[in-house]
Amino acid sequence: DTGVSQDPRHKITKRGQNVTFRCDPISEHNRLYWYRQTLGQGPEFLTYFQNEAQLEKSRLLSDRFSAERPKGSFSTLEIQRTEQGDSAMYLCASSSRTSRTPDTQYFGPGTRLTVL
Amino acid sequence: DQQVKQNSPSLSVQEGRISILNCDYTNSMFDYFLWYKKYPAEGPTFLISISSIKDKNEDGRFTVFLNKSAKHLSLHIVPSQPGDSAVYFCAASAQGYSTLTFGKGTMLLVSP
Repeated sequence: DTGVSQDPRHKITKRGQNVTFRCDPISEHNRLYWYRQTLGQGPEFLTYFQNEAQLEKSRLLSDRFSAERPKGSFSTLEIQRTEQGDSAMYLCASSSRTSRTPDTQYFGPGTRLTVL
Repeated sequence: DQQVKQNSPSLSVQEGRISILNCDYTNSMFDYFLWYKKYPAEGPTFLISISSIKDKNEDGRFTVFLNKSAKHLSLHIVPSQPGDSAVYFCAASAQGYSTLTFGKGTMLLVSP
């Protein structure tokens, strides 16, 4: 069990550029989540997948944001036309949800995005 | 509207003493509660959880208490160690929903 991994760990970009982040969940976890955390706040939910299906999206996820999980394994989060307000830590989490157990999510190390 | 509130931004405790971190929630649909620990520049690490059918869950030095009538939970760390110094987040989820709602966190500093 190697845990949740995220790549890159840090990304600095200029306003208006597109960025893409990758998340590899714990193997055999069927659920994958994206959260965003800004300074002084707790993580805020963005979207989640069960296998390859995107089941829920937060209103925080503007149309500049898109997430995919094409084969039900790794996931990508793309931000188009980045804005300075997108600067944050982007966290990925995964879980193995069954009907009998609550959903404990395990987080990756995060990708720190800085938009100049 | 913050549904999960951690009203103490910081807490200082001496090594060996008990640390008590508090969390309040407003959404009566929440039925599963978790505590995460976070070091700078790292992702949150799961510590301990509790279902609403219980009022206490213990794991080593960590114990979580849930008071449903007061919509309040607390995390007790005994004895506290300097390595426990981190930001602690309380999180909650509602039955039928998978997303976690987090508080703003409490920074715990354990001094030798």
